Amino acid sequence: EPEVTQTPSHQVTQMGQEVILRCVPISNHLYFYWYRQILGQKVEFLVSFYNNEISEKSEIFDDQFSVERPDGSNFTLKIRSTKLEDSAMYFCASSEVALAGADTQYFGPGTRLTVL
Amino acid sequence: AQTVTQSQPEMSVQEAETVTLSCTYDTSENNYYLFWYKQPPSRQMILVIRQEAYKQQNATENRFSVNFQKAAKSFSLKISDSQLGDTAMYFCAFSGSNTGKLIFGQGTTLQVKP
Repeated sequence: EPEVTQTPSHQVTQMGQEVILRCVPISNHLYFYWYRQILGQKVEFLVSFYNNEISEKSEIFDDQFSVERPDGSNFTLKIRSTKLEDSAMYFCASSEVALAGADTQYFGPGTRLTVL
Repeated sequence: AQTVTQSQPEMSVQEAETVTLSCTYDTSENNYYLFWYKQPPSRQMILVIRQEAYKQQNATENRFSVNFQKAAKSFSLKISDSQLGDTAMYFCAFSGSNTGKLIFGQGTTLQVKP
């Protein structure tokens, strides 16, 4: 069964450094999402992406964050200058259609980001 | 703003027994969707069951069923004949009708004991 994959599984970085988290969505999916979960807190929506554009974003997704689909398979989340509070598990998801109620979002296993 | 609340951080159940996980939500929308996702240890989150708010009938998927009380804004998950493989974190989630965004609760860790 097709799966969403994410790399790396764990990323450790120094505060102020740039990180890129990578995701490979399911191949026929067109809609992509990033969520994050700070330890002990809720899973929070960051951004949705379709047709090389951001469809929707949360207030968390500020200028320090960006997303890109650099090729036909990868979907990346970049944090330009990491802060301690960016430490979290980051989940990528993909779906065939846009509306969450109309289709299943398939999640990756997550990347644990630790900012020191 | 929509919110989702799971008031049970941890639950346990004996194998083969039934357990119910609670979820409440708040929204001013009339048409929306509710979900339960399961996240086994070190594994992907997977969709367990989905409920459309406009449907009065409670959704059922094999051993998993929901009790959807729209007026009370309650959406509980019942797992019948619990199995060891049901051990996981369970997340309740909400989505409005015109968005791809999922809003999650805090999660409930379920331990199925042999």
